[in-house]
Amino acid sequence: SAVISQKPSRDICQRGTSLTIQCQVDSQVTMMFWYRQQPGQSLTLIATANQGSEATYESGFVIDKFPISRPNLTFSTLTVSNMSPEDSSIYLCSVRAGGNTEAFFGQGTRLTVV
Amino acid sequence: DQQVKQNSPSLSVQEGRISILNCDYTNSMFDYFLWYKKYPAEGPTFLISISSIKDKNEDGRFTVFLNKSAKHLSLHIVPSQPGDSAVYFCAARTINAGNNRKLIWGLGTSLAVNP
Repeated sequence: SAVISQKPSRDICQRGTSLTIQCQVDSQVTMMFWYRQQPGQSLTLIATANQGSEATYESGFVIDKFPISRPNLTFSTLTVSNMSPEDSSIYLCSVRAGGNTEAFFGQGTRLTVV
Repeated sequence: DQQVKQNSPSLSVQEGRISILNCDYTNSMFDYFLWYKKYPAEGPTFLISISSIKDKNEDGRFTVFLNKSAKHLSLHIVPSQPGDSAVYFCAARTINAGNNRKLIWGLGTSLAVNP
């Protein structure tokens, strides 16, 4: 199993500012995933973060808006840049178990942009 | 367009009875289906999965049934316990570009098990 610590757990931010969310895993993992869950919506994959290479973004998400760092095999950050109220969501990081399926999630970051 | 649908936003059952959570999908290219459980202020927790080549998978009180012809799966919890009260997400796995697997999620069903 893997234990994932995600910080901050919640924040209220002013529009136009940026917030960096941290995700720390207690074991080395190759791939980490960042999700967003907007109010009343399902979880949506933002990007896949691989150590030592650029993150792979899903359709509708761009690096300028959601830059990701992956400096080592246990840590990743997601930045929500130039925030607007539409960015108010829960952001989650996740890692896969050996079976190629997201099995472990952080507790999420509840972001409110005012 | 929602490819994975959980049409019931909420479900309430009595302790000891069966809870049945339903999920429908529209894409035949999914190879695995998964159920996750989520408590408030926590991330989703993997519960049980089923391969698209099977029709049933059981793990203790939890059983998932898959009906491929109907593109429908269900999660049965027997007997239901108050600690099962949570939001349950159905997710389907597809192969993304570059052979990466990707999960498509439903909106979730909030289960309340009443003592």
